[in-house]
Amino acid sequence: GQNIDQPTEMTATEGAIVQINCTYQTSGFNGLFWYQQHAGEAPTFLSYNVLDGLEEKGRFSSFLSRSKGYSYLLLKELQMKDSASYLCAVRDWGSYIPTFGRGTSLIVHP
Amino acid sequence: GAVVSQHPSWVICKSGTSVKIECRSLDFQATTMFWYRQFPKQSLMLMATSNEGSKATYEQGVEKDKFLINHASLTLSTLTVTSAHPEDSSFYICSTKRETGELFFGEGSRLTVL
Repeated sequence: GQNIDQPTEMTATEGAIVQINCTYQTSGFNGLFWYQQHAGEAPTFLSYNVLDGLEEKGRFSSFLSRSKGYSYLLLKELQMKDSASYLCAVRDWGSYIPTFGRGTSLIVHP
Repeated sequence: GAVVSQHPSWVICKSGTSVKIECRSLDFQATTMFWYRQFPKQSLMLMATSNEGSKATYEQGVEKDKFLINHASLTLSTLTVTSAHPEDSSFYICSTKRETGELFFGEGSRLTVL
């Protein structure tokens, strides 16, 4: 199984940059996912990392370091609509679906 | 991407009654679907894996007699919460999975048991 840790809550200003960290412990890493979840809605896929490095997709980027058991999600040019919970999920070799962290609630204020 | 439809979005029921939630894969045949439960400000917790044509696989601590799962076709899985109690009130979400591992979620069903 995995032990996934991410901050409970973060706040940031509209237009700024925010980095949401995720650390994990697993016996056999096989991919890390980031999902966005607005209140009362289902999660939507943001990114997938399986190799070390940075994956950029528009305003969102995700970084992975397998040796450190560490990932971050970087959100640039923050918008009010980015206020949501961001879930880090890690997949083991032993399982074909990921385990989710508790999520980081991001509040973007004007 | 895959489209998953879940129904109903909201349901309120009396304690002791049963509630059925449907999950449909609209654009591909899903031999496997997943059911999650999420309490407020908590993570998504996998409840069970629904397998088309065979019994569901339940996670440790999930009562299979209470949470009945039926995967009768390649596009439909149902979760029935039997004899619901207030502690079963939660957000139930189903998902399908692509070969890449990406999960596609339904809209979720918020159950409130009075």
